[in-house]
Amino acid sequence: DTGVSQDPRHKITKRGQNVTFRCDPISEHNRLYWYRQTLGQGPEFLTYFQNEAQLEKSRLLSDRFSAERPKGSFSTLEIQRTEQGDSAMYLCASNLGQNYGYTFGSGTRLTVV
Amino acid sequence: AQSVTQLDSQVPVFEEAPVELRCNYSSSVSVYLFWYVQYPNQGLQLLLKYLSGSTLVKGINGFEAEFNKSQTSFHLRKPSVHISDTAEYFCAVSSYGGSQGNLIFGKGTKLSVKP
Repeated sequence: DTGVSQDPRHKITKRGQNVTFRCDPISEHNRLYWYRQTLGQGPEFLTYFQNEAQLEKSRLLSDRFSAERPKGSFSTLEIQRTEQGDSAMYLCASNLGQNYGYTFGSGTRLTVV
Repeated sequence: AQSVTQLDSQVPVFEEAPVELRCNYSSSVSVYLFWYVQYPNQGLQLLLKYLSGSTLVKGINGFEAEFNKSQTSFHLRKPSVHISDTAEYFCAVSSYGGSQGNLIFGKGTKLSVKP
């Protein structure tokens, strides 16, 4: 297994368009997390799944954001009606549990123009 | 609620010199502590973690960190840095038995190693 994969690496979109990102975690990891990182800041938690259940969502996850993990494997993060403030790096991470540490993907950099 | 403060936003240092990146945290419950490194346009790589036991934790690339509960600190150290250590370093905390997903990060410290 080569780690956590995220696709695409870069996405440029016009304001108001919808975008979807994909994350493929390490295969045996049952937990999957989404984080957002803006310039000059540390990553901020968005949401997390245990298997297919979405167990926690941050207040940062507005109604325009939705995440799914339909079969407990890969996950998607969709942003509807994108705004310039959504421009950021979106990071996915996975693990077997809290005390195992988090393995991060390389991220998807979103630019809204 | 937890919080993390990384006291230095930028640390310049000469090659082969020692370095310490400072991290303080705030939490009302027991915590797990982590240091991550991020190279430009890449994700985060785990350097080391403290879960319990010995307060001195050794990680990859020659880094180590010491957990100090009384001072609520988890400073990262390396005795001799290399040019390749130039990167951004993030300290993070999660509460033991608390919000399972919520890994709280500091704002990062940019380490710049000069020849």
